[in-house]
Amino acid sequence: GDSVTQMEGPVTLSEEAFLTINCTYTATGYPSLFWYVQYPGEGLQLLLKATKADDKGSNKGFEATYRKETTSFHLEKGSVQVSDSAVYFCALSRSSNTGKLIFGQGTTLQVKP
Amino acid sequence: DVKVTQSSRYLVKRTGEKVFLECVQDMDHENMFWYRQDPGLGLRLIYFSYDVKMKEKGDIPEGYSVSREKKERFSLILESASTNQTSMYLCASSLFGTSTGELFFGEGSRLTVL
Repeated sequence: GDSVTQMEGPVTLSEEAFLTINCTYTATGYPSLFWYVQYPGEGLQLLLKATKADDKGSNKGFEATYRKETTSFHLEKGSVQVSDSAVYFCALSRSSNTGKLIFGQGTTLQVKP
Repeated sequence: DVKVTQSSRYLVKRTGEKVFLECVQDMDHENMFWYRQDPGLGLRLIYFSYDVKMKEKGDIPEGYSVSREKKERFSLILESASTNQTSMYLCASSLFGTSTGELFFGEGSRLTVL
């Protein structure tokens, strides 16, 4: 069945460091791909998305490119801030009409000043 | 501003008790979902509903049931709580037929079963 695999966390970085969180997926067809972020004490919120191969999603300095050949959707940011400390979830859609998503395990990011 | 509200942020229940988790959305969304969040396992879909009185099982429905009597409200029911149901429960909603696939989440309900 469809699945999403993320790199193990936690990831600990110093402020202004470069961030990569790896995400690979297994799916039939052509799913849409998402990154959600969960700040401490809050629910998840959409960070960025890509709906077809080679699309690049971007938001708040974060980017991810839909790579069909490697079935990947890695999250990157050039310079992280303490306020980026959160849990990041990669997800894919089974069907855009129902909104059912399959989530990865989540990766905790801690940014130290 | 869009909002999904879960009635209880923290609950402590005893084994065998019946537990109700309530979720209300004010966005007139057709789809509503209940997910369970556990460390190392991410989010797993328990049930979802795409219309009033309609429901469909997700990946882990055992031990749970749901109710959707009104469009804005989706309830998760644990008929007889067990310790392995200690978890964070997240409610979400989305617009039917959207191509964005975006879900809007509540803040979560952390349930502890003793």
